Amino acid sequence: DQQVKQNSPSLSVQEGRISILNCDYTNSMFDYFLWYKKYPAEGPTFLISISSIKDKNEDGRFTVFLNKSAKHLSLHIVPSQPGDSAVYFCAAIGGSQGNLIFGKGTKLSVKP
Amino acid sequence: DGGITQSPKYLFRKEGQNVTLSCEQNLNHDAMYWYRQDPGQGLRLIYYSQIVNDFQKGDIAEGYSVSREKKESFPLTVTSAQKNPTAFYLCASSPSGLAGVGGAKNIQYFGAGTRLSVL
Repeated sequence: DQQVKQNSPSLSVQEGRISILNCDYTNSMFDYFLWYKKYPAEGPTFLISISSIKDKNEDGRFTVFLNKSAKHLSLHIVPSQPGDSAVYFCAAIGGSQGNLIFGKGTKLSVKP
Repeated sequence: DGGITQSPKYLFRKEGQNVTLSCEQNLNHDAMYWYRQDPGQGLRLIYYSQIVNDFQKGDIAEGYSVSREKKESFPLTVTSAQKNPTAFYLCASSPSGLAGVGGAKNIQYFGAGTRLSVL
């Protein structure tokens, strides 16, 4: 039973436009959420995180939004660049869980 | 330079052979993790260790073994019992692996990975 779901396996956007990656979770005890970026044949890199006491966290071109009532978070990348093309993983932690629970990832392709 | 080092980058296993993947970190992190990634799949947790001399099974521990004799090191052995070992293996560490310590302390940092193939 997946506790963290990324329902879109892939997303394609034009350079300069906004990329929106979505993530849903089922465990209401999760209180910290993270996004990782992964290039092929490399380890994931931590990108941005958000605590459940906030609804938005921004870092440069990357913004994460959290909607606790809907158990939904999203990552916005503006403007998108070709170098952003990668697989993005959503992860969550909280409650009795000391480990990160990862989604299956969304592959983002940014076209020049 | 602080970080997580995995070696080797590529590894080949013969039928019936055990192989060991190395993971070393100099970040002074308490917790370490091993994941497996298959094509088109997410990250699946094999084993994790919250502290030295202790480790726990993850979701897919069968056919694997680990040790945590030193804080910096968490080697993974892929045994002959693992019938489908071909995958990309990732090691990670975090300042803490305990629940409730504060989210940022559970952020995991990953190594560059080891690709294991069967001959």
